[in-house]
Amino acid sequence: RKEVEQDPGPFNVPEGATVAFNCTYSNSASQSFFWYRQDCRKEPKLLMSVYSSGNEDGRFTAQLNRASQYISLLIRDSKLSDSATYLCVVSLSGTYKYIFGTGTRLKVLA
Amino acid sequence: DGGITQSPKYLFRKEGQNVTLSCEQNLNHDAMYWYRQDPGQGLRLIYYSQIVNDFQKGDIAEGYSVSREKKESFPLTVTSAQKNPTAFYLCASSMVEGREQYFGPGTRLTVT
Repeated sequence: RKEVEQDPGPFNVPEGATVAFNCTYSNSASQSFFWYRQDCRKEPKLLMSVYSSGNEDGRFTAQLNRASQYISLLIRDSKLSDSATYLCVVSLSGTYKYIFGTGTRLKVLA
Repeated sequence: DGGITQSPKYLFRKEGQNVTLSCEQNLNHDAMYWYRQDPGQGLRLIYYSQIVNDFQKGDIAEGYSVSREKKESFPLTVTSAQKNPTAFYLCASSMVEGREQYFGPGTRLTVT
């Protein structure tokens, strides 16, 4: 079983739609959680950190469920520019290790 | 502007040659990391450094070497011992462990 699992997609959604991605992690020592977006052939860019109480940044909402060991990302009112691969990242407590999911690909269609 | 720079963007080498990838940051971050990304795979950690003059092997360190002589700089050498060096190499930094990582633009290495 992979340490961080994501549905690879692609999720094809029309502009304006709401889309949600989930990510599950297996290591209970996981300490911090992040969502990154990666455009084709570019570096990952931090989208948002995920806090225990959940957090929102504009159209993006992230949730953490420690009991079930998953995090989610909700994108409202999708834009064409949201088309990218979304990476779920987990850091392990007491280490400098970050575990990356393989990403979920999103295509927003006009 | 604060950030991480990597050079060159594209690099082509013949088999059997060592090559050094540059990574510089002006974010005043203590920790720096090197990852490689292959198609369809998540990022895999090659080496990381928590502080100047100290570094640790990651999950796939064989065939690579690093140095950390300055806080700002963390170059990666891909040696001829690395069996499959063609990949996208990403350098990252973070303030301390567990905090957000920030990435450089990457170097695409092709070895033929």
